[in-house]
Amino acid sequence: DAGVIQSPRHEVTEMGQEVTLRCKPISGHNSLFWYRQTMMRGLELLIYFNNNVPIDDSGMPEDRFSAKMPNASFSTLKIQPSEPRDSAVYFCASSLSGANVLTFGAGSRLTVL
Amino acid sequence: GESVGLHLPTLSVQEGDNSIINCAYSNSASDYFIWYKQESGKGPQFIIDIRSNMDKRQGQRVTVLLNKTVKHLSLQIAATQPGDSAVYFCAENIPGQFYFGTGTSLTVIP
Repeated sequence: DAGVIQSPRHEVTEMGQEVTLRCKPISGHNSLFWYRQTMMRGLELLIYFNNNVPIDDSGMPEDRFSAKMPNASFSTLKIQPSEPRDSAVYFCASSLSGANVLTFGAGSRLTVL
Repeated sequence: GESVGLHLPTLSVQEGDNSIINCAYSNSASDYFIWYKQESGKGPQFIIDIRSNMDKRQGQRVTVLLNKTVKHLSLQIAATQPGDSAVYFCAENIPGQFYFGTGTSLTVIP
């Protein structure tokens, strides 16, 4: 298995631009999580899906952030418009149900200028 | 003004010594715990897990101890190697979600 695949690995953009981060979970995993990692706040849970349905999005910082999971093999995290304080590494993770090992992707490093 | 980041606890050990990394968790309802290792530029990687009905679990060179009374978790690494240098996170599972601690930075001195 190729593991959790995230793209892009690095993105540099200007304030106000739309950013879309993508994730392909491990085949067969039915839970998907988006985390953000910064020096200020560590690893923060943004949102998680179970069977493609968003279960808890209370960690999503603002309405500028949205996440979708149109099918079991794909999810997106969108920031529109982006701001410099959104600069962080965004991780996607998947698991088989919600109480088993999370497998993380390599992350998407976002820099908003 | 100056931004202040998380003050990561740090641990430095000599190669070959044993390492102990500690973690306090917050929710008595947590029933599953995982230790992750994160190397620079990579995502967190699973090391070992333990369920709340156990107080000890051993893997290859690693042992996790769980004390539910004081909500404390520890990771012991035997014969620490330079490749063990990383940030280590504990994660607690409150059904359906995982929450991560701030992490401990381990440096192994050759």
